[in-house]
Amino acid sequence: GQQVMQIPQYQHVQEGEDFTTYCNSSTTLSNIQWYKQRPGGHPVFLIQLVKSGEVKKQKRLTFQFGEAKKNSSLHITATQTTDVGTYFCAGSGGYNKLIFGAGTRLAVHP
Amino acid sequence: GAVVSQHPSRVICKSGTSVKIECRSLDFQATTMFWYRQFPKQSLMLMATSNEGSKATYEQGVEKDKFLINHASLTLSTLTVTSAHPEDSSFYICSARDPGPFEKLFFGSGTQLSVL
Repeated sequence: GQQVMQIPQYQHVQEGEDFTTYCNSSTTLSNIQWYKQRPGGHPVFLIQLVKSGEVKKQKRLTFQFGEAKKNSSLHITATQTTDVGTYFCAGSGGYNKLIFGAGTRLAVHP
Repeated sequence: GAVVSQHPSRVICKSGTSVKIECRSLDFQATTMFWYRQFPKQSLMLMATSNEGSKATYEQGVEKDKFLINHASLTLSTLTVTSAHPEDSSFYICSARDPGPFEKLFFGSGTQLSVL
């Protein structure tokens, strides 16, 4: 079945450093979504990418969707302690459901 | 944004008992809700898709007689863990799809189930 792979599993950075997490799907996706889950919390929607090659920015966060619509990335510039949490990508390939990647846990040291 | 309420947030039960978890969409109608299971520091694993007025669709490997799902109204889906055992201990979280043009999910706050 459809699989969504995400790397790295865990990353810790110094505050101010950049951070990137990558997502790959085994199949072409109709869209990809990104969620953030704070420790002890529930996932919160960040963004959805639909078009091939699409790039979207939210302040220090940049999201990209690959040309083949099988991969995506989230890049955070100049991390802050408020960025701490687990970032999940989730792919939609059809059948009305999302398949989540394993997530990348981000730790930011002040 | 839309709000999904999940209750209870935490439950501790004895082995062999059944536990019911409720998921409500508070300000919108949700014909479809999704139930996920999450182990510590791991991803969300889709268990089943709950469809209002019809049978739930279970993912491969999920026992439908173990995890009973009922979606009797457009705002309420319930997950009942029957005859719970310690290996059923986990974080269960429901979600509903945005009724707007996007396919994003709104998640409930989750239920931490501990089976003794």
